[in-house]
Amino acid sequence: GAGVSQSPSNKVTEKGKDVELRCDPISGHTALYWYRQRLGQGLEFLIYFQGNSAPDKSGLPSDRFSAERTGESVSTLTIQRTQQEDSAVYLCASSLSAEYNEQFFGPGTRLTVL
Amino acid sequence: AQKITQTQPGMFVQEKEAVTLDCTYDTSDPSYGLFWYKQPSSGEMIFLIYQGSYDQQNATEGRYSLNFQKARKSANLVISASQLGDSAMYFCAMSLGAGNNRKLIWGLGTSLAVNP
Repeated sequence: GAGVSQSPSNKVTEKGKDVELRCDPISGHTALYWYRQRLGQGLEFLIYFQGNSAPDKSGLPSDRFSAERTGESVSTLTIQRTQQEDSAVYLCASSLSAEYNEQFFGPGTRLTVL
Repeated sequence: AQKITQTQPGMFVQEKEAVTLDCTYDTSDPSYGLFWYKQPSSGEMIFLIYQGSYDQQNATEGRYSLNFQKARKSANLVISASQLGDSAMYFCAMSLGAGNNRKLIWGLGTSLAVNP
C-alpha cells in the first residue's frame, strides 16, 4: 500500500479484556513508532522499533502494554487487562530509518474501553 | 527536562492572511530536530516542515516556514496566504539525541480556524 495502515480503525472493548492493535508500515521503512493520543492532547511516545528490535520502550505506561514487530514489517501493540484510562487513539508511524527525519503516520486506531 | 510548549490553544485567521503559531522547546541536548505536523479533523497526522538544530537557515516548504530562533529556543510556524483547508490542529514536536533514537516529544497543539 501507499501509506501506513492500521487496524482496526475503531475498537470498543470491556474493561479487563485484552486488545491487539496492528500497524502495517510503508514497505521498506525500517523504523516504526507507536504513539498514544488522548482526547484533546498531544501525542505520547510509547515505543520505537528499528528493524525487529525495540531500542526504546521507555514510553510504555505499564507492563500491561507490549509490542512486537516481525519481519521488519507488521507490528502489533497489545494491551492486556484494559482499563478505562487506556481509551485513546493509538497512532503508528514509520520512517525510512531512525536517522530519517520524516515520520509517516497511519490513520490511528480509536480504542474505547467501557 | 525535555519539553515542547505551545501556548496558543486556539487561533483564528482570515483567509489569505498570514498566521504565526508559537512553539518553544526545552532541551540541553545540542543535537535535536524540530517538526510541525498538521492534524485535520479526519485525524491523520501530516508532516509539514523540519528544522535541524545545526541548520543555518530557516526551513521553508511552500507556504510554510519555520522561524527558528535558537537562543530563544523557539520554532514558530508561519503559514502564509491562509486557505480554508488550513483549518486543523497543528502540533510542534522535537526529536532528541544523536544516533538512532528519533522518538518525538510533542506539544499539546494549536487549533487553527481559517475564516472566509
